[in-house]
Amino acid sequence: ILNVEQSPQSLHVQEGDSTNFTCSFPSSNFYALHWYRWETAKSPEALFVMTLNGDEKKKGRISATLNTKEGYSYLYIKGSQPEDSATYLCAQGNNNDMRFGAGTRLTVKP
Amino acid sequence: DADVTQTPRNRITKTGKRIMLECSQTKGHDRMYWYRQDPGLGLRLIYYSFDVKDINKGEISDGYSVSRQAQAKFSLSLESAIPNQTALYFCATSDLGLRYEQFFGPGTRLTVL
Repeated sequence: ILNVEQSPQSLHVQEGDSTNFTCSFPSSNFYALHWYRWETAKSPEALFVMTLNGDEKKKGRISATLNTKEGYSYLYIKGSQPEDSATYLCAQGNNNDMRFGAGTRLTVKP
Repeated sequence: DADVTQTPRNRITKTGKRIMLECSQTKGHDRMYWYRQDPGLGLRLIYYSFDVKDINKGEISDGYSVSRQAQAKFSLSLESAIPNQTALYFCATSDLGLRYEQFFGPGTRLTVL
């Protein structure tokens, strides 16, 4: 597995704004794509695991899409709240390895 | 109580010392992983284990070793610590394979002087 890239590195939005970030990954030998939310001083917590091209997952105001053919996934947050402030990590897994991106650090200002 | 625990939570040690980081889980998962996190980089996989008799090297295993003492316990050792092993270390577990979410411990912040 080559590098998993996330953009942007950081993002500052106002409360109520909707936002999205990108995760790019090598499209060959795709197995699974994970999204995690990591708050400062806490452990990363899973948001979604997606395995099929075209997968869309939703949890409350957060949703994610997956395109395995072109090698990208989008994470969307609708109506951002200050408690959404965290680093969002994506990771590509194959059967024997897991590669994480460096994350997108989101700050939501009240 | 936390499902995945790590000890110690913080450790400062000197170059050349042997150090062990321990991970325990109560989730009943077979699969356990050790990662390190450095500023500006993603989590990088050091070692993983699919069951008690199985140990596999990850992306950055050089300078590290592991022991899977039981289904619930997975230890990471630095035989002779060096300053560039200063990092935040996470243990994680998962059910079955990488198509399942991973559950992370609280992390161990290690500083090697």
